[in-house]
Amino acid sequence: ETGVTQTPRHLVMGMTNKKSLKCEQHLGHNAMYWYKQSAKKPLELMFVYSLEERVENNSVPSRFSPECPNSSHLFLHLHTLQPEDSALYLCASSQGWAGELFFGEGSRLTVL
Amino acid sequence: ELKVEQNPLFLSMQEGKNYTIYCNYSTTSDRLYWYRQDPGKSLESLFVLLSNGAVKQEGRLMASLDTKARLSTLHITAAVHDLSATYFCAVDTYNNNDMRFGAGTRLTVKP
Repeated sequence: ETGVTQTPRHLVMGMTNKKSLKCEQHLGHNAMYWYKQSAKKPLELMFVYSLEERVENNSVPSRFSPECPNSSHLFLHLHTLQPEDSALYLCASSQGWAGELFFGEGSRLTVL
Repeated sequence: ELKVEQNPLFLSMQEGKNYTIYCNYSTTSDRLYWYRQDPGKSLESLFVLLSNGAVKQEGRLMASLDTKARLSTLHITAAVHDLSATYFCAVDTYNNNDMRFGAGTRLTVKP
């Protein structure tokens, strides 16, 4: 496989469920990102992992919890979400400070 | 706080016509990116502009960067239907941990 792959592509969950989104990059990059894309707002950066170290983003509610076990894998753990959290969640990777992002296909999340 | 503004947000144009999308940003940066997103798809990198005066071209699209004016343009020449998509510009802060995206320009090219 090449590029950035995300699973699942679609997820429907209740407000009390716990689920996880998975991202894997095959580009040899050392930084990975979670972005949220909703209809009403521009792309919002949620979390960044650089060299497997997380950069805090204080504006993200604690019901979203990232995990980066190694430079190729990134997870977003979801717990007691709200309907307004329904959105497309995009994973991306980059090589160091070069900045150019390579995105996965996204996980479309619907919270009922 | 870094702000990135694109205009127009919606653009409907005829095939064969030319048009320009503008991207303004509010703070010092010399790294600007253009991405394309097709409906239901992810974002695809189009251009990376890393210095003042940078110009890059790919097919019917040409991007330029003026860091003094804090402005980038994406020029479309002789539009074709296949260019219909949403185009985003994004700006790196020197922090590099927060790439800010514009709201996107939804382009529709009609026959």
